[in-house]
Amino acid sequence: DAGVTQSPTHLIKTRGQQVTLRCSPKSGHDTVSWYQQALGQGPQFIFQYYEEEERQRGNFPDRFSGHQFPNYSSELNVNALLLGDSALYLCASTFTASTDTQYFGPGTRLTVL
Amino acid sequence: AQTVTQSQPEMSVQEAETVTLSCTYDTSENNYYLFWYKQPPSRQMILVIRQEAYKQQNATENRFSVNFQKAAKSFSLKISDSQLGDTAMYFCASLNAGNMLTFGGGTRLMVKP
Repeated sequence: DAGVTQSPTHLIKTRGQQVTLRCSPKSGHDTVSWYQQALGQGPQFIFQYYEEEERQRGNFPDRFSGHQFPNYSSELNVNALLLGDSALYLCASTFTASTDTQYFGPGTRLTVL
Repeated sequence: AQTVTQSQPEMSVQEAETVTLSCTYDTSENNYYLFWYKQPPSRQMILVIRQEAYKQQNATENRFSVNFQKAAKSFSLKISDSQLGDTAMYFCASLNAGNMLTFGGGTRLMVKP
């Protein structure tokens, strides 16, 4: 049973660039959430996708956008990168009709120079 | 809005001994879930234990158990017979009706041989 996978593992970008991160949910899951974890802090909720639509959004600017595909995989896009966007980006999946536990992927470490 | 507070930034425990990590939360919802996640240096966020707020009985999972005090909005994690592999960051989190996780700032646990 495949768990949540994310790609790439690491990414280095410069200020002003755009980045796309990818996530494949755990088998049988249909809902994907994205979190940003700055160094030494707890994760912060960015947004959640279900049925290819954004269902919930945290306190993040419009530079952060996403997409969910028919196979439930998801992308996180960040435009006009700032130094403060450097963080670990975590993807979590769940099945909406189940017990609501979110299972996390290994994360993508984004460094903005 | 939900808030989760972990007042112990760092803790240490001798191998085979017992340690308790503290967590308090605030929520206006009646139905919610509480979680403890473990994040080792590999950065994968791993579910340790979960508690449904409507259940009076404290959750247990092998060496891990919680003390859930609903009126006090307290949710502590007890690790018995600590093992070197328990060394990690531990995050307390609450899940609201919108399926959004709110995390505390984390407690770094070091198990000493």
